[in-house]
Amino acid sequence: EAGVTQFPSHSVIEKGQTVTLRCDPISGHDNLYWYRRVMGKEIKFLLHFVKESKQDESGMPNNRFLAERTGGTYSTLKVQPAELEDSGVYFCASSQGTVDRQYFGPGTRLTVT
Amino acid sequence: EDQVTQSPEALRLQEGESSSLNCSYTVSGLRGLFWYRQDPGKGPEFLFTLYSAGEEKEKERLKATLTKKESFLHITAPKPEDSATYLCAVLMDSNYQLIWGAGTKLIIKP
Repeated sequence: EAGVTQFPSHSVIEKGQTVTLRCDPISGHDNLYWYRRVMGKEIKFLLHFVKESKQDESGMPNNRFLAERTGGTYSTLKVQPAELEDSGVYFCASSQGTVDRQYFGPGTRLTVT
Repeated sequence: EDQVTQSPEALRLQEGESSSLNCSYTVSGLRGLFWYRQDPGKGPEFLFTLYSAGEEKEKERLKATLTKKESFLHITAPKPEDSATYLCAVLMDSNYQLIWGAGTKLIIKP
């Protein structure tokens, strides 16, 4: 069984540019989550999809962040325009049920210069 | 404020030296507590889920326990390959967000 995959593994962009992160969950998992870890801080929840619908986006920091989940399969997280404080590691996770264990991808390390 | 605190921040042990990691939480309602292991450059890897006080789970050299205020991850006779950052996260009953602790970096010296 393939795990959660994320692309790219690392992205370096300049302040003001746009970046799109992609997550492919485990096949059959309706629940998809995005998290972020800023250096020196704990992992923080960003948002939660159930199939193609946003169940909870209360963790999204501001309207520069836009998440989509096309057809309930893969998800993208776009940051536009990127700011220095957006640097960190972005993790995607998926699960079958909402209280089940979440399987994590390897993360995308975003560096904004 | 809902909060998860892990201690110690870092722990160095000799191979075979048993110890415990702590995860204390103050949340309005607990749906479940999760332990994950994270290796450098990788995503968190699931270890255990605990749902109610008094529950215990074991896997190889690891044993997780839960009370109403905290959880412990006991490591018995650790090996160098147990070196990693151990993360604790709480699933709230008011939503489906995981609230994370900052982690304990465990180093096992041969």
